[in-house]
Amino acid sequence: RKEVEQDPGPFNVPEGATVAFNCTYSNSASQSFFWYRQDCRKEPKLLMSVYSSGNEDGRFTAQLNRASQYISLLIRDSKLSDSATYLCVVNVKTSYDKVIFGPGTSLSVIP
Amino acid sequence: DTGVSQDPRHKITKRGQNVTFRCDPISEHNRLYWYRQTLGQGPEFLTYFQNEAQLEKSRLLSDRFSAERPKGSFSTLEIQRTEQGDSAMYLCASSLRANSYEQYFGPGTRLTVT
Repeated sequence: RKEVEQDPGPFNVPEGATVAFNCTYSNSASQSFFWYRQDCRKEPKLLMSVYSSGNEDGRFTAQLNRASQYISLLIRDSKLSDSATYLCVVNVKTSYDKVIFGPGTSLSVIP
Repeated sequence: DTGVSQDPRHKITKRGQNVTFRCDPISEHNRLYWYRQTLGQGPEFLTYFQNEAQLEKSRLLSDRFSAERPKGSFSTLEIQRTEQGDSAMYLCASSLRANSYEQYFGPGTRLTVT
């Protein structure tokens, strides 16, 4: 089993739709959680950190459920510019820090 | 530009040759990470530095790979005796340790081994 798993996708949604991505992690020592966005042939860019209380940034809402070891990202009112791959990232605190990226979920927003 | 920079952006080499990539992190960031990414996959962790100290190296990394960060600023990643399976995008990222490990990525070096 992979340490970080995501919805396989791709997600094809019309403009204005609401879309949700799920991510699960296996290591209970995971401490920090992030969503990154990666455009085609570009580097990943931080979208938002994920806090235990849940957090919102405009049209984007991230939630964390530590008991279920589950993270989600909700995008409301999808825009064409939201088309990208969304990467779930987990930081595991062991003797050293371990940063694990999920495989990503591809989103295409269609006019 | 004060972001993370990588050089070269593209490298084509023949199997068996050695290659070296450079990464310049954001100047005040003391953590530096190297990743490898292939098509359709997320970045795969290779190694990371806290200042000049290499703190962790992936067990997936063979002995042909070595990384340095001699003065705690820029870093180099060397691949010796390249193989076709080494073809990938090599990404560098940096972060401020105090900033909860949020990482800022460079544009990557795309390696093609023929």
